[in-house]
Order: sequence, then structure tokens, then C-alpha cells
Amino acid sequence: EVQLVESGGGLVKPGGSLRLSCAASGFSFNNAWMNWIRQVPGKGLEWVGRIYSKNDGGTTEYAAPVKGRFTISRDDSKNTLYLQMNSLKSEDTAVFYCATGSNSHDSSDFDRWGQGTLVTVSS
Amino acid sequence: DIQMTQSPSSLSASVGDRVTITCRSSQSITTYLNWYQQKPGKAPKLLIYQRSTLQGGVPSRFSGSGSGTDFTLTISSLQPEDFATYYCQQSRSTPLTFGGGTKVEVK
Repeated sequence: EVQLVESGGGLVKPGGSLRLSCAASGFSFNNAWMNWIRQVPGKGLEWVGRIYSKNDGGTTEYAAPVKGRFTISRDDSKNTLYLQMNSLKSEDTAVFYCATGSNSHDSSDFDRWGQGTLVTVSS
Repeated sequence: DIQMTQSPSSLSASVGDRVTITCRSSQSITTYLNWYQQKPGKAPKLLIYQRSTLQGGVPSRFSGSGSGTDFTLTISSLQPEDFATYYCQQSRSTPLTFGGGTKVEVK
């Protein structure tokens, strides 16, 4: 069974840092292009960024609002995806999901999602 | 960046109704268009990918069409479990972007 399980969310002060994790199982994690997507409670979905598989270069891409503040990384030996979030702002408050797709090489049609972890940025 | 615009933002419908949701992209995305269903407190669920391919396990009352910049999600006969919010998403290029959502409510 495919599973993605996020952890690490919580309450953090503006300007603070937090690291989210996403533990994957049930599929070939090392070959997957992994994504972070967030959703402000009651609002729409926003792609945060992705990391390519090592075979495809292992590079990262980010959405403009988080570029320079967030860093995506992966540990294929642990089947785990990470999101390091620095200089957090109130507008970063959201549920963060990890996600990937199995229908296409670029994994951009997301049929695999975690349950989400809530990050609240507030003083 | 490719902007995705969904309409309507909400609609009221009854069980058995035919429901149509539209999604427009700010530039051509050929057929790189996906549709998701989300229920409160849950992660989105992929319904349709690459414009019209039904994800495994998704009922055949869901269908997708369109190309270029204009796309449609159709539910041929709305069922009680279909009341939810629906999102389109383009996978043509990064940053990957989603529409604002369409909430399908009980009439």
C-alpha cells in the first residue's frame, strides 16, 4: 500500500524555522519526483516546490513566494522527503502536503498524497 | 507563470443533475490538465489526468474534455458522495498551478 505520512508541523513564531518530513512507503521513492503543496485553511491549493529524483539530477524548483526561504531535500536511504522552512511569515500558515504522481514521468499528476500537516505561524 | 481560472466558484445542484465545471489557462497547456476532488479535512484526490484520462477507481460519471486553454469537468449524474470542492491543475510547466476551486453544494 502506498503511504505518505507528513510530520513536523506546529506553531512557530514569525521569523522562525520548521522542518517538515514526509515518510514514503509502498512505491519506488528513489525514482519519484516529490512535491510539497500547501493549502491555507479554507482556501485553495498552492504548489510549493519539488525535488527531482537523483537519476534525473536531484535538483529542486520552488514557487516564487518561498524561493530563498524554503529548501526541499530527500534522503532516499530513509525514503523520506523534507521541507526546511526558514524566515516564516504569517502568510505561510497552511496545511502542507507531500505528493507525487505515478501516471507520468514528471509525476505532476498527483495521485499520491499524504494526510497533511498544519503549520501555524503566529506570535 | 500559467494562471488557472475556474468557474463557477460554487454551484448548487441536486442528486442526478449533470454538472459542468470549467477551467481556463492563461496560455496553452495542450492537454496537461488534471482534476481533483477534495472533501473537508482530506487530501485532494486525483480524478482525471492529462485532460481526459480517468484515474483508476474513479466512477465513469466523471469525464474531462478540452484542449489548449479551455477545459471542462463533467459529472453526468451527481451522486451524494460528489458534493465536494473540485480543482483543476496544469502540469505543463513549473510553477505548477491550480485553479481556485469550485464548491459543489446541495441545492
